[in-house]
Amino acid sequence: AQSVTQPDIHITVSEGASLELRCNYSYGATPYLFWYVQSPGQGLQLLLKYFSGDTLVQGIKGFEAEFKRSQSSFNLRKPSVHWSDAAEYFCAVGALNIIFGKGTRLHILP
Amino acid sequence: DAGVIQSPRHEVTEMGQEVTLRCKPISGHDYLFWYRQTMMRGLELLIYFNNNVPIDDSGMPEDRFSAKMPNASFSTLKIQPSEPRDSAVYFCASSRVGSPLHFGNGTRLTVT
Repeated sequence: AQSVTQPDIHITVSEGASLELRCNYSYGATPYLFWYVQSPGQGLQLLLKYFSGDTLVQGIKGFEAEFKRSQSSFNLRKPSVHWSDAAEYFCAVGALNIIFGKGTRLHILP
Repeated sequence: DAGVIQSPRHEVTEMGQEVTLRCKPISGHDYLFWYRQTMMRGLELLIYFNNNVPIDDSGMPEDRFSAKMPNASFSTLKIQPSEPRDSAVYFCASSRVGSPLHFGNGTRLTVT
């Protein structure tokens, strides 16, 4: 069965520090993988996607993610976070019936 | 491009009343999805359409929920009768083949 696990419900980092949000998936075929961000009261905005090719993908707002097939992981990274990055982040897998993880809420310390 | 447009943004209703949520997808997108978001269950896919035809409604929780897409630019999600456990944020999203989902800003439904 398809599933997405985001093991960290909350993460707190200091502004300017590096960030890594974890995502593990279970999928029967070559996965389409996504990271979305949700600010309070807003819909989900696509940060980046992986369909095929280079396993390190670049997204908007300085985010990147690396697909590791052997670990069934698609972790999101940013070298230096800004206060405006505080939001909830969702990993997702699938083609049409897209499955979302439960999300990781990112808190930024000044 | 105005994005996916949902209305209303907030809906407060009493148990037993009918609720209708509306969605206008992005022009040219042939897939439309309805999701429900709650703290307990996260984001759940309720139903999706392709070219206005419902393809998979296995996520619709029960017969009180129904969705229609009468044309390529409009869809509704109806709950009749509504119950307090239906309180959630309902998102509409649209896409084309091979492209990611584009979400609306959601409708926050409160059933008292």
